[in-house]
Amino acid sequence: DAGVIQSPRHEVTEMGQEVTLRCKPISGHDYLFWYRQTMMRGLELLIYFNNNVPIDDSGMPEDRFSAKMPNASFSTLKIQPSEPRDSAVYFCASSGGQVRGSQQFFGPGTRLTVL
Amino acid sequence: GDSVTQMEGPVTLSEEAFLTINCTYTATGYPSLFWYVQYPGEGLQLLLKATKADDKGSNKGFEATYRKETTSFHLEKGSVQVSDSAVYFCALIDVSNDYKLSFGAGTTVTVRA
Repeated sequence: DAGVIQSPRHEVTEMGQEVTLRCKPISGHDYLFWYRQTMMRGLELLIYFNNNVPIDDSGMPEDRFSAKMPNASFSTLKIQPSEPRDSAVYFCASSGGQVRGSQQFFGPGTRLTVL
Repeated sequence: GDSVTQMEGPVTLSEEAFLTINCTYTATGYPSLFWYVQYPGEGLQLLLKATKADDKGSNKGFEATYRKETTSFHLEKGSVQVSDSAVYFCALIDVSNDYKLSFGAGTTVTVRA
């Protein structure tokens, strides 16, 4: 199994530009999570999906952020317009059902730098 | 709400030293508890877990016991190696709270040869 795949691994953009991060979860997993990691705030859950449906987006910082999951094998996190404070590592994770103690599998992350 | 508090780092140790990272939690329900590890430049990996009180999770020489009476899940390893240098996250998932994973702040551990 290839694990959770994220692209790009690194993204450098200028303030005001649109940024799209991509994630392919592990096949058969029905939960998908987007996290943001910064030195100041640690790991934050932004949004998660169950069976392609957004369940909780309360962690999305503001309207500039949006996430979609058009099918079971693909999700995007979009920032438009981007700002320097969005610079962080963004992780996607997937899980094969949230029975008690189920494990989330993390991708390698996308390191975003907004200049 | 649910929360996890873990020992602040960074922690620097010599090889073969004993490692303890303290973790306590607050939860309204009956959480499952996890330790995740993040090696430099990588995503998080599950290190071990425990799903009910008195369970002991273990992996790669690391252990942690779910202590409901003290709401703790401390991570221990008897003899660390340089390859254990990483950031360690304590986390919980409370099935009464939409199954969201709540992470501690992370503890950076550096092991010197």
